[in-house]
Order: sequence, then C-alpha cells, then structure tokens
Amino acid sequence: EVQLVESGGGLVQPGGSLRLSCVASGFTFSAYEMNWVRQAPGKGLEWVSYISSSGNTKYYADFVKGRFTISRDNAKNSLYLQMNSLRAGDTALYYCAREDPSVANPIDYWGQGTLVAVSS
Amino acid sequence: SYELTQPPSVSVSPGQTASITCSGDKLGNKYACWYQQKPGQSPVLVIYENTKRPSGIPERFSGSNSGNTVTLTISGTQTMDEADYYCQAWVSSTGVFGGGTKLTVL
Repeated sequence: EVQLVESGGGLVQPGGSLRLSCVASGFTFSAYEMNWVRQAPGKGLEWVSYISSSGNTKYYADFVKGRFTISRDNAKNSLYLQMNSLRAGDTALYYCAREDPSVANPIDYWGQGTLVAVSS
Repeated sequence: SYELTQPPSVSVSPGQTASITCSGDKLGNKYACWYQQKPGQSPVLVIYENTKRPSGIPERFSGSNSGNTVTLTISGTQTMDEADYYCQAWVSSTGVFGGGTKLTVL
C-alpha cells in the first residue's frame, strides 16, 4: 500500500524557517517524481514545487522561488521542503504528492498533509 | 501566468448528470486531470489524460476535452459525490490548478 506521511509543520513567526519531511512507503520511491502542493484554510489547491526522481531537476512556483528548496534522499525514501523567509500567506496544509509516470503525469497519491501556520 | 478557470459552484439533483468545466488558453493541446476532495480529506484523482479513469473510480465519472475547455461529467450523481473538484494541468514544467468547483447534490 502506498503511503506518504508528512511531518515538520507547526507555528512559526514571519521571517522564520521550517523543514517539512515526507516519508514514503509501499513503492520504489527512487523511481518517482514528487511534488509539494499546499492548501490554505478554506482555499483551493496550489502547486508549490517538483523534483525529479534523481533529484537533479527541480521546479518552483513563482511565489516560493528563492525562499523554498525541495530535496530528496532516495536512500531514506524521503522528500523534504526547506522553507525560509516565511510569510503569513504561506499558512497552509502542505501535501506531499507522488506523480504517476504516465504521459500526463497526474498526481496519483497524496499524503494527509502537515499544517504550517505563520503568525506573530 | 497560466490560469485554469472553473465555476465556483455547481448544483445537481441526485440521479442527474453534473458537468464541471475547466477553461484555459490552448488547454485542448494539453492533458488535464481532475481531483475530488471531500471535507477533511486529501484529494483523490478521478480523471487523468483528459478522459481516463484510475482503477477504483466509478464509471459514472468521465472526462472530455474540446477546444480550450475540459469537462468532468458525473452521470447518475450520488450524494457521496458531493465534494470540491479541481482540474489540473502541467504548463512549462509547473503545476497549475483550477480554483475548484463545489459540487452540491440536493
């Protein structure tokens, strides 16, 4: 059974940092591209970042470029999101999401999410 | 930046057909997916590559693509289908989600 379990969320002051983690199980993690997607309270889904299976290619949404860094450790079946210079607008539930390698690359599995709250 | 536009809400009576649209520039040239999200739950993929259903998704869910619009159709809508629905596409290696449509079954 595919499982994605996020952790690392919490309450942080504006300008602070957090590191989110996602541990994957039930599939060959190193073979899959991964993403972070967030959802602000009561709002819609918002794509944040992508990383290739090897970790060599990374993409970011404009609103996190220069502040967030995605990474992975295939030996530990883990995905990470280092978040710096956090703003109130970054408050959201952050989902770890697996990308299916078919032609359209849909997100076929989602974690339960970890909540990040940015407030003074 | 690229945008996908969905109606904020759609209402349907049980047993009827619900259609949710998603529009974007030259969307017909891309592949779109649809996700269902119920309150307090993570999203679930219901349609990918515009028209395909993942295993385990009921046959009443279908998708189509025409011009700049993709459409999610739910035939014989059930009360359990009440949820938020999001379309999504990859554009220039970045993910783009529609704003979401709240489907009410009443």
